[in-house]
Amino acid sequence: AQSVSQHNHHVILSEAASLELGCNYSYGGTVNLFWYVQYPGQHLQLLLKYFSGDPLVKGIKGFEAEFIKSKFSFNLRKPSVQWSDTAEYFCAVRGDYKLSFGAGTTVTVRA
Amino acid sequence: GAVVSQHPSRVICKSGTSVKIECRSLDFQATTMFWYRQFPKQSLMLMATSNEGSKATYEQGVEKDKFLINHASLTLSTLTVTSAHPEDSSFYICSARHRYQETQYFGPGTRLLVL
Repeated sequence: AQSVSQHNHHVILSEAASLELGCNYSYGGTVNLFWYVQYPGQHLQLLLKYFSGDPLVKGIKGFEAEFIKSKFSFNLRKPSVQWSDTAEYFCAVRGDYKLSFGAGTTVTVRA
Repeated sequence: GAVVSQHPSRVICKSGTSVKIECRSLDFQATTMFWYRQFPKQSLMLMATSNEGSKATYEQGVEKDKFLINHASLTLSTLTVTSAHPEDSSFYICSARHRYQETQYFGPGTRLLVL
């Protein structure tokens, strides 16, 4: 069985600060990795994904994530956040046929 | 981009009635659709996976007779909550996987309140 854990439940930071959200997974085989974002009142949107190749993945809105296989991690980063980045962020893993989600991290960016 | 819609966006019903939620992929064909349930401040929990033209696969602990799933076409899946009870109140989200891709796209969700 696969599982995902996100380290932070709620992160509060100021505009222009750097953001890093931790994500670790457990699964014995090859995985596909995703980060989704859910803005207030909106549906889940894909930020970025990793299937294979370069472990440093760049997504939309200036986000990037790095897959470190030895650490079973897929941390999300953004060098300088904006107020509009306030949202819920979900890490997800697909090892077998289904997508498993972490508990989510609420990010609040203060202007 | 790929768009998934859900209808209705919110529904209030009486205990004992049935509620049908539709999930449509608007601009792509989805051979596989997924139904999730999201509790407040919690993650999405997969309820079932439906493949077009075949029976849905339910996750452990999900009652197939209570949550009926039909995936009649490549663009439509429905979830029917039968004999709804207050504990079924939740946020139900569908997701569709593009026929030729591995990425899942999510609908906006349906808020169900059972009185």
